[in-house]
Amino acid sequence: DAKTTQPNSMESNEEEPVHLPCNHSTISGTDYIHWYRQLPSQGPEYVIHGLTSNVNNRMASLAIAEDRKSSTLILHRATLRDAAVYYCILRGPVRIQGAQKLVFGQGTRLTINP
Amino acid sequence: KAGVTQTPRYLIKTRGQQVTLSCSPISGHRSVSWYQQTPGQGLQFLFEYFSETQRNKGNFPGRFSGRQFSNSRSEMNVSTLELGDSALYLCASSFGTGGTYEQYFGPGTRLTVT
Repeated sequence: DAKTTQPNSMESNEEEPVHLPCNHSTISGTDYIHWYRQLPSQGPEYVIHGLTSNVNNRMASLAIAEDRKSSTLILHRATLRDAAVYYCILRGPVRIQGAQKLVFGQGTRLTINP
Repeated sequence: KAGVTQTPRYLIKTRGQQVTLSCSPISGHRSVSWYQQTPGQGLQFLFEYFSETQRNKGNFPGRFSGRQFSNSRSEMNVSTLELGDSALYLCASSFGTGGTYEQYFGPGTRLTVT
């Protein structure tokens, strides 16, 4: 089953960019890379996802390596509200038969200093 | 548009009992996934339902089961509760199943087994 590896924790300063790395060396060609974040006492929140090309939305950017074995979530200008645990997850296509296991890593706890 | 709702929000049960948790997805979403979150194991995928059919399944014993109704609402059941089942149970809905679609999480049901 595809697995992701992330640093346990990272720290950054407010209003600076943050680059959160994720390794997924066993990714298959049809796996999408999803990022979610979980603020304290809340359910996870969708951030961004992509397949091969880099993606941008209002929350963040996702940079995907050419070999797709790693990706980086970029928060362009961190705020105190971005302090959360960030999860990088691989999500594959639908399988009619057989189980597809979705594997979450431990995530990266991001601390933002004022 | 209303978000994902889960009931109850908090629950205390005794070992050996069974419990049923409920999830109402975002209107129009046909996929519902369930996750267990504990401090030690992190976020673990339980199962996913789409159009009343289980499409994906994680590595949990048969005591954990679920179902989805024709209106996309879903329930999960845990029988013969064990102390280790104490966790936050999260439900997530998406428009479709597979990596193309982002998931929207509910606030979770906090289950305590004594």
